[in-house]
Amino acid sequence: DAGITQSPRHKVTETGTPVTLRCHQTENHRYMYWYRQDPGHGLRLIHYSYGVKDTDKGEVSDGYSVSRSKTEDFLLTLESATSSQTSVYFCAISTPDRGGETQYFGPGTRLLVL
Amino acid sequence: EDQVTQSPEALRLQEGESSSLNCSYTVSGLRGLFWYRQDPGKGPEFLFTLYSAGEEKEKERLKATLTKKESFLHITAPKPEDSATYLCAVQAAGGGADGLTFGKGTHLIIQP
Repeated sequence: DAGITQSPRHKVTETGTPVTLRCHQTENHRYMYWYRQDPGHGLRLIHYSYGVKDTDKGEVSDGYSVSRSKTEDFLLTLESATSSQTSVYFCAISTPDRGGETQYFGPGTRLLVL
Repeated sequence: EDQVTQSPEALRLQEGESSSLNCSYTVSGLRGLFWYRQDPGKGPEFLFTLYSAGEEKEKERLKATLTKKESFLHITAPKPEDSATYLCAVQAAGGGADGLTFGKGTHLIIQP
């Protein structure tokens, strides 16, 4: 699992409440990612980070913000959760591989917004 | 815009019945094509990376191949434990921390 943990693993919340998901890695990887996975869609990139305090938007970033104050932690925040943000959220890290980089994924956080 | 299309959406095979999964892609310069396996309730598990047309990689009963337009994941004499959803993804050339563009996956069921 490339030393990736996600917390919480499951969460139920109500519309309009703030939610923060945490991704923690133990191997000092520079690049980290947040994806969401929904039925009928492939995994879609929300935000990514290329270093401490260095982040950028992905394909589906509206309604989400991220922070990375330490190499090992990448936080995803839903400022005001909506039902459309019900999803499974995966964190990933990227490691050098012969010829390029390979992404490895965490176990996921299942979020239900009521 | 990068696109990945996987077919079929679902495939049911008998144990030992070999077959292939397809991944067609369009990308503005391919940096890498990735295959993952995903079991229910778990994160994607990395299988292979292919970087250039003509490249092939093998792991147990799985073999991945790559052309300029598509990739195939060949499954030889599958077993029930090969049942999973198989995901294909591409990364465009550009350097740095670019994310992956995924297909919707092929749900594979191997019946004993």
